[in-house]
Amino acid sequence: QKEVEQNSGPLSVPEGAIASLNCTYSDRVSQSFFWYRQYSGKSPELIMSIYSNGDKEDGRFTAQLNKASQYVSLLIRDSQPSDSATYLCAVNPHTDKLIFGTGTRLQVFP
Amino acid sequence: DTGVSQDPRHKITKRGQNVTFRCDPISEHNRLYWYRQTLGQGPEFLTYFQNEAQLEKSRLLSDRFSAERPKGSFSTLEIQRTEQGDSAMYLCASSLDRSEETQYFGPGTRLLVL
Repeated sequence: QKEVEQNSGPLSVPEGAIASLNCTYSDRVSQSFFWYRQYSGKSPELIMSIYSNGDKEDGRFTAQLNKASQYVSLLIRDSQPSDSATYLCAVNPHTDKLIFGTGTRLQVFP
Repeated sequence: DTGVSQDPRHKITKRGQNVTFRCDPISEHNRLYWYRQTLGQGPEFLTYFQNEAQLEKSRLLSDRFSAERPKGSFSTLEIQRTEQGDSAMYLCASSLDRSEETQYFGPGTRLLVL
């Protein structure tokens, strides 16, 4: 079992729709969780961090964390073509390094 | 620009040559991380520093790889006797001085070994 698992996609959604990206992790002691966006050929850029169970909203983005189910998700409302990228889920299992999933490729079509 | 910077952005080398990459972290960040990313994969941890001390090294980091952060500011990653399998994006990240802090990534150095 991989430590952080994501569906590789592509996830295709029409412009204006809600995109839902999911991630599961294996280490129960993980305390901090991050979503990064990565455009092709570029480096990861932080979208959201979340540390507590529940929802955290920032503009069009909402991160959801359920530690009991070892599940973290990212919702993107009013998706735009510029949101088309790979979304990386990263977990810090309290070991001072990030463990990344393989990423989900999101395609937003006009 | 006060973000993480990396140099060079691209490097093409022949198999067997040595290469060195540099990373300058965000100025107030004490922690500096190196990751490697290959096509279709997420970044994989290589090593990290807290100030000048190298605190952890991944098993991915063979003895051909060495990293330094001599004055607790910039860091270098050297690969000796490069192999074609070393071709990847090498990413540097920095963070404040707690393990749960957000890591901010530089633009990366793309290495191609011919």
